[in-house]
Amino acid sequence: AQTVTQSQPEMSVQEAETVTLSCTYDTSESNYYLFWYKQPPSRQMILVIRQEAYKQQNATENRFSVNFQKAAKSFSLKISDSQLGDTAMYFCAFMNGNAGNMLTFGGGTRLMVKP
Amino acid sequence: DAGVTQSPTHLIKTRGQQVTLRCSPKSGHDTVSWYQQALGQGPQFIFQYYEEEERQRGNFPDRFSGHQFPNYSSELNVNALLLGDSALYLCASSLWDPTNEKLFFGSGTQLSVL
Repeated sequence: AQTVTQSQPEMSVQEAETVTLSCTYDTSESNYYLFWYKQPPSRQMILVIRQEAYKQQNATENRFSVNFQKAAKSFSLKISDSQLGDTAMYFCAFMNGNAGNMLTFGGGTRLMVKP
Repeated sequence: DAGVTQSPTHLIKTRGQQVTLRCSPKSGHDTVSWYQQALGQGPQFIFQYYEEEERQRGNFPDRFSGHQFPNYSSELNVNALLLGDSALYLCASSLWDPTNEKLFFGSGTQLSVL
């Protein structure tokens, strides 16, 4: 079974600054995907960024980027130029590429962006 | 293009009752998964439906059951409700195609059991 751990229950950052959210995972699989989801007060899970395990290059999506360290089983999310709208819960998630589209989520990090 | 829609948005039940939650997947999607998100925690996988059959199941008791209809919409049924079943129930839709790993989530149904 896979596990996903987010060790930072809460974080805060000043508007326009950079923040990094941590995530570690444990798996024996070689084919898998990693995701960061954002959950604002509207409750809908919104995909922020995804990473295929076989790709060495770190994924980027505008202000969002990841640091994928496969050997260390670490998958952190960096948010640059933080905006007030980034305030939300952030969840790291794992998907076994050989077992259907089932996600295993971490416990989440609550991010507060301060003006 | 409508995304994933769930109904109702909120629901209050008492212990021992039964509840049915509904989900319509994103247009073009054929697979529906259900997740339970307790307060302050990450979502946990309940089960997944494709071609009207349960394909995968997480660690949930038989009180949790589901159904998928020919139009790909789905229902989640919970019998003999317990206080601990109070949670946000999220539906996610996707394609069964194993090369497509993208899930789209609805806004959930908030279930309160009193």
